[in-house]
Amino acid sequence: AQSVTQLDSHVSVSEGTPVLLRCNYSSSYSPSLFWYVQHPNKGLQLLLKYTSAATLVKGINGFEAEFKKSETSFHLTKPSAHMSDAAEYFCVVSDSSGGGADGLTFGKGTHLIIQP
Amino acid sequence: DSGVTQTPKHLITATGQRVTLRCSPRSGDLSVYWYQQSLDQGLQFLIQYYNGEERAKGNILERFSAQQFPDLHSELNLSSLELGDSALYFCASSASTSGGTHEQFFGPGTRLTVL
Repeated sequence: AQSVTQLDSHVSVSEGTPVLLRCNYSSSYSPSLFWYVQHPNKGLQLLLKYTSAATLVKGINGFEAEFKKSETSFHLTKPSAHMSDAAEYFCVVSDSSGGGADGLTFGKGTHLIIQP
Repeated sequence: DSGVTQTPKHLITATGQRVTLRCSPRSGDLSVYWYQQSLDQGLQFLIQYYNGEERAKGNILERFSAQQFPDLHSELNLSSLELGDSALYFCASSASTSGGTHEQFFGPGTRLTVL
């Protein structure tokens, strides 16, 4: 069984300051991990993914995440927040064992607020 | 634009009714997934089809069913609707057959309101 815990339901930062969205996962197998973003009234867009290659993953719009197996974490960061980053962010895990469902398991989401 | 289309965009219906949501995957993608997003349950995986065959089931109610047609579009049928079925329903597609390592591309969703 797999699960995802997003440690903060809301994060508020000032424009131009760093962003940190925290995520811990649990998986029976070697997981694939993703971060998706959902802007208001829009669908979900993939920011980045980890699939057992490099542990530091770079994504779109300046976001990156580091896979830390010892800490079972996959935190999302961005050096400098922009107003357009305001959205809901989902940490997602997929069991990549190959034998089970391909459905993704989503965290509850973190609402990122950018203060001007 | 992800390349995944969903119709209708909005649907308002009454309790006890039946509705059908439609999804067209990205060109070339054989897998289609359905998800439900509600305020209390968050985003939940419902069901996956691959090339016309059901591949995996998640938290899908017995009142719900889905199918994937030869042209690879998919329909999600929701019957005996209850107030609690009000949610945003997403379809996603991917080229993956297994493993879940491939990106899933999400459609814009269908917002279902049950009155």
